[in-house]
Amino acid sequence: EPEVTQTPSHQVTQMGQEVILRCVPISNHLYFYWYRQILGQKVEFLVSFYNNEISEKSEIFDDQFSVERPDGSNFTLKIRSTKLEDSAMYFCASSLLGLQRANYGYTFGSGTRLTVV
Amino acid sequence: EDKVVQSPLSLVVHEGDTVTLNCSYEVTNFRSLLWYKQEKKAPTFLFMLTSSGIEKKSGRLSSILDKKELFSILNITATQTGDSAVYLCAFVIQGAQKLVFGQGTRLTINP
Repeated sequence: EPEVTQTPSHQVTQMGQEVILRCVPISNHLYFYWYRQILGQKVEFLVSFYNNEISEKSEIFDDQFSVERPDGSNFTLKIRSTKLEDSAMYFCASSLLGLQRANYGYTFGSGTRLTVV
Repeated sequence: EDKVVQSPLSLVVHEGDTVTLNCSYEVTNFRSLLWYKQEKKAPTFLFMLTSSGIEKKSGRLSSILDKKELFSILNITATQTGDSAVYLCAFVIQGAQKLVFGQGTRLTINP
């Protein structure tokens, strides 16, 4: 069964450093997403991406965050200057159809645990 | 503000029991409600419910949506230890691509 692949599985970074989280969505999917889950809290939406642009973003997704699909297979989330509160599990997801047309949910990757020290 | 509340937050049962997990919501412009299972890491999709009163079924799992009373239930019959997980419900509003998740129900199945 096709999978969404995320690397690395765990990243430790110093406060103020830039990090790039990488995702390889399912190959024929068209919609891409990032979510995060702070330990013990809800899964929270960050951003959705379609047709090479951001289609929706949350209040969390401020100027410190950016996304890119640099080469048609990878989908990355960059955090420019990490803060302690950015420590969380970051999930990438993808879907062939958007949620307004699909009758199924999208597929999540197994996540990158980001620890900011 | 749109919100989704799951209950109970935690449930411990014995293998073979039947469980019912609840998800209630207050959402304007509701489109769909989804159930996911989260074991160690990635949430895995279970059901998407858009229409009221139509049961969706997959093996021992089933779910139904009530759009009048604004809730959904997820039933698991003949539970097994492999059903131990956090079960998440999430909604989609009209025109949006994001999922808004509840806090989850942690289900533990003891042998």
